[in-house]
Amino acid sequence: DAKTTQPPSMDCAEGRAANLPCNHSTISGNEYVYWYRQIHSQGPQYIIHGLKNNETNEMASLIITEDRKSSTLILPHATLRDTAVYYCIVRVAINAGGTSYGKLTFGQGTILTVHP
Amino acid sequence: KAGVTQTPRYLIKTRGQQVTLSCSPISGHRSVSWYQQTPGQGLQFLFEYFSETQRNKGNFPGRFSGRQFSNSRSEMNVSTLELGDSALYLCASSVGTGNEKLFFGSGTQLSVL
Repeated sequence: DAKTTQPPSMDCAEGRAANLPCNHSTISGNEYVYWYRQIHSQGPQYIIHGLKNNETNEMASLIITEDRKSSTLILPHATLRDTAVYYCIVRVAINAGGTSYGKLTFGQGTILTVHP
Repeated sequence: KAGVTQTPRYLIKTRGQQVTLSCSPISGHRSVSWYQQTPGQGLQFLFEYFSETQRNKGNFPGRFSGRQFSNSRSEMNVSTLELGDSALYLCASSVGTGNEKLFFGSGTQLSVL
């Protein structure tokens, strides 16, 4: 799986949009970008994933650049409950004979702190 | 639908002992993966089971082992515990057949004294 680079920490004011960047310059054509977050003392929670088109769900939006070398997770109206560590993960999607779908390679992530 | 259940939530053991942790996946999920989380190393993949077979294994010593039962429930075992095994052990379940999301439990916090 390709390596990702994220800023170690970010701050955001409550009610404002939080934009979390991720660099994945060595991403391969069959690799998806996934975002998970981990709130203190809980297991990671899936947020969103995408291949090359922008994606949106009830939690967030994912913007992937045209060359796919970077992406941005957007929390449109951050709340105090969004304070967490956010992980950007790149993983292969297509079964290449024995690929383990249960394996995620976590980096250090970005600690997002939402302030009142 | 019930989430991923891990038991126990907290565990205290002493060096040299062994421990067994349990994970019940979401109904219908056939893949169970285990992760170790420590402040120094972060989240690290231990192994994955799918349909009672180990499908992948991370870079951990043989003291760490696991198994999966026919109902997809999984256990992991750590033998001859060391102080460095103190960690949050997380289990995740998924359907296991393609590009899908993983659902994590709240973990078992293991302290080795």
